[in-house]
Amino acid sequence: QSALTQPASVSGSPGQSITISCTGTSSDVGGSDYVSWYQHHPGNAPKLMIYDVTNRPSGVSDRFSGSKSGNTASLTISGLQAEDEADYYCTSYTNSDTLCVFGTGTKVTVL
Amino acid sequence: QLQLQESGPGLVKPSETLSLTCTVSGGSISRGTYYWGWLRQPPGKGLEWIGSIYNNGRAFFNPSLKSRVTISVDTSKNQFSLKLPSVTAADTAVYYCARHGGGGWTIFDFWGQGTVVTVSS
Repeated sequence: QSALTQPASVSGSPGQSITISCTGTSSDVGGSDYVSWYQHHPGNAPKLMIYDVTNRPSGVSDRFSGSKSGNTASLTISGLQAEDEADYYCTSYTNSDTLCVFGTGTKVTVL
Repeated sequence: QLQLQESGPGLVKPSETLSLTCTVSGGSISRGTYYWGWLRQPPGKGLEWIGSIYNNGRAFFNPSLKSRVTISVDTSKNQFSLKLPSVTAADTAVYYCARHGGGGWTIFDFWGQGTVVTVSS
């Protein structure tokens, strides 16, 4: 089972919008409505930002939004802020004999 | 508020066994429909799910680590544990424990702060 594919890095200027992709297969991303996204600042525990493709947990800014098309899920950060600079990981349900599969991770840089 | 805390040696010699325990407070490990998971991040690399265990002992693992990992649960102590034998430098990482749930098992919503484990002689 392979990890989900994310771009290694994405960058943007403050105020801009960026989108991070998460590509899998019909056995995971494409075959379920269960994709989550995590924000990870080094030295801290990862934080759940999006679950079930589009849902935001309480307390997460509405600048973060999720979507999915086919085998690719996406996380969009609107109105980019310095505090958004972090690593981001997607994870998906998988129909293989395990619970979930993680993405390779994307480093977001705010220019 | 649910809290998780990892504990265990920060330094393990090559070929020995890495053993970590996660203590859960503020809630019972036996309640609700949740697995309890271990994840890690090696230096300079991405986050990796290791495996998760239910309160009845049923466990699932990352296929890449399945042959090496043991995860156990002690509901009387509200703890779950990770054992990774025959470690190498590649097992050096920050190890996290987390509550693992959601309809598609993609939600890790409560996390420990993480513990650094270095494999070195």
